[in-house]
Amino acid sequence: QKEVEQNSGPLSVPEGAIASLNCTYSDRVSQSFFWYRQYSGKSPELIMSIYSNGDKEDGRFTAQLNKASQYVSLLIRDSQPSDSATYLCAVPANAGGTSYGKLTFGQGTILTVHP
Amino acid sequence: NAGVMQNPRHLVRRRGQEARLRCSPMKGHSHVYWYRQLPEEGLKFMVYLQKENIIDESGMPKERFSAEFPKEGPSILRIQQVVRGDSAAYFCASSPPKGSTEAFFGQGTRLTVV
Repeated sequence: QKEVEQNSGPLSVPEGAIASLNCTYSDRVSQSFFWYRQYSGKSPELIMSIYSNGDKEDGRFTAQLNKASQYVSLLIRDSQPSDSATYLCAVPANAGGTSYGKLTFGQGTILTVHP
Repeated sequence: NAGVMQNPRHLVRRRGQEARLRCSPMKGHSHVYWYRQLPEEGLKFMVYLQKENIIDESGMPKERFSAEFPKEGPSILRIQQVVRGDSAAYFCASSPPKGSTEAFFGQGTRLTVV
């Protein structure tokens, strides 16, 4: 089993719809979870961090974490064409019980928002 | 994140030459990470450094690749005797000292080996 798994997509949604991106992870002791957005030919940009079970909202973005199911998701409300990008789920390595910024990334989900 | 500075942005090398990639972390950040993104593949961790120390190099290829983060100056990722398979985007990320796992990426260096 891969450490971090995402559906590669592509996921296509119409403008204004909700885009739902999913990620599962294998390390039960993971404490931190990140979503990065990467436009084609650009670098990854951190858009959401979540550390506790439940939902975290930031503007049009909501991250949802369920540690029991080892599942983290990202919802994008009112999707815009400018949201079209690859979305990467990332989990820090857990070295000796202390996480640090070494990240394991999923393969990424390609999102296309069409007008 | 514009705070992490990488140069050059694009680098072309002939097979057998050396490539040197530079990374200056964000102000106040003392942890540096190098990642590689091969065409059509995900981001893969290569090495984690602090000033004058390699903390974790578990993702580095065994040969031809080395990294350093000297007391003064940027972190350097060095690839000796490049081959076509080294063509990729190399990203540097930095994070603050102690307790933070949020990492911010530079714009990357796109290495092309011809």
